[in-house]
Amino acid sequence: GESVGLHLPTLSVQEGDNSIINCAYSNSASDYFIWYKQESGKGPQFIIDIRSNMDKRQGQRVTVLLNKTVKHLSLQIAATQPGDSAVYFCAEMGYNFNKFYFGSGTKLNVKP
Amino acid sequence: DTEVTQTPKHLVMGMTNKKSLKCEQHMGHRAMYWYKQKAKKPPELMFVYSYEKLSINESVPSRFSPECPNSSLLNLHLHALQPEDSALYLCASSPEGDYDYGYTFGSGTRLTVV
Repeated sequence: GESVGLHLPTLSVQEGDNSIINCAYSNSASDYFIWYKQESGKGPQFIIDIRSNMDKRQGQRVTVLLNKTVKHLSLQIAATQPGDSAVYFCAEMGYNFNKFYFGSGTKLNVKP
Repeated sequence: DTEVTQTPKHLVMGMTNKKSLKCEQHMGHRAMYWYKQKAKKPPELMFVYSYEKLSINESVPSRFSPECPNSSLLNLHLHALQPEDSALYLCASSPEGDYDYGYTFGSGTRLTVV
């Protein structure tokens, strides 16, 4: 089946700096990707998505980049804030279009 | 209402107990999901319901029994669990056939099996 993984399990950044969280996926046929944020004691929360016909999508302070050639996804957070501290998961939707596969997660620590 | 509500938030149960987890949404979503999440791990899909019918069972042990009594409710009945079943159980929902913005997740039930 599909597998989605992350390169960095923990990322510590200074408040105000930019953060980059990476994710690798294995199924080249996957065509929809989502980044989720999960704060302690809460369920995953949608941040931003991207389809395979795009290579970049921007939201408010967040940008997702998709490199289909190397099957790599990244989440960029601009001017990281303490409230951004959480675990971030990428999720991939594969052939079976009613389930997402989640990557292993990266914990983002924002130092004041 | 744009939320998925899960009750209880915390549950401690013995290995011989029977308990149920409840999930409710009023967004008109016709697909609902149960996920299990161990500490520091990603959510793992357990069950998918589509139009109140079970469409996916990810080889979950029979001590977990899902039920979808109507389009707004999803239950997970628990019986004879093991300590390794202790985890955060997440419920999610989405419009059937429309996965833009992914799933809406509840905050989960933290289950401890003693």
